[in-house]
Amino acid sequence: DAGITQSPRYKITETGRQVTLMCHQTWSHSYMFWYRQDLGHGLRLIYYSAAADITDKGEVPDGYVVSRSKTENFPLTLESATRSQTSVYFCASSHPHYEQYFGPGTRLTVT
Amino acid sequence: SQQGEEDPQALSIQEGENATMNCSYKTSINNLQWYRQNSGRGLVHLILIRSNEREKHSGRLRVTLDTSKKSSSLLITASRAADTASYFCATDEAGNQFYFGTGTSLTVIP
Repeated sequence: DAGITQSPRYKITETGRQVTLMCHQTWSHSYMFWYRQDLGHGLRLIYYSAAADITDKGEVPDGYVVSRSKTENFPLTLESATRSQTSVYFCASSHPHYEQYFGPGTRLTVT
Repeated sequence: SQQGEEDPQALSIQEGENATMNCSYKTSINNLQWYRQNSGRGLVHLILIRSNEREKHSGRLRVTLDTSKKSSSLLITASRAADTASYFCATDEAGNQFYFGTGTSLTVIP
């Protein structure tokens, strides 16, 4: 199916564990983004990628790692999860300087 | 720090009325975008206005951009109950940084 998907949709993990959130898009968009959404903060950019093998930090990158070996995939890894990383995570993709298309989100709880 | 800030934070209107929400930002932008988010869902793109444009329409939506004041407004005309959602402005800044505001929560009462 065409579109942008995220997995898992829900995840509960413990403090200190590594967690990887997956994002896959079928539009061949060059840009991909990861955001977190928290009450009172709106959406904040964590990392973005302009193309395969090119990634850059956003507003809140600390504690996160990304990679982009293929254009269609953009996984986000929390190397050692903390409670402050409890959030809803959204992946998005776009052509350069055009509208972004968002996935359904992953609700992550760190206990 | 966030680039876009919406005003008001919450808005409640009767069906059929117009809804206006505003967005202010701080630095130069490539474009400004408006998104809608229904509760518990992902964001849906509504309209994009580039820095060299002043006004744009899409159906019942009208967006204006004033780069001298670093502000934008979104007008939804003849609102419907289905328009109930949160609305976010987002700025596409030089250097590929992308900032969302904290959103306006719109409630349209049938």
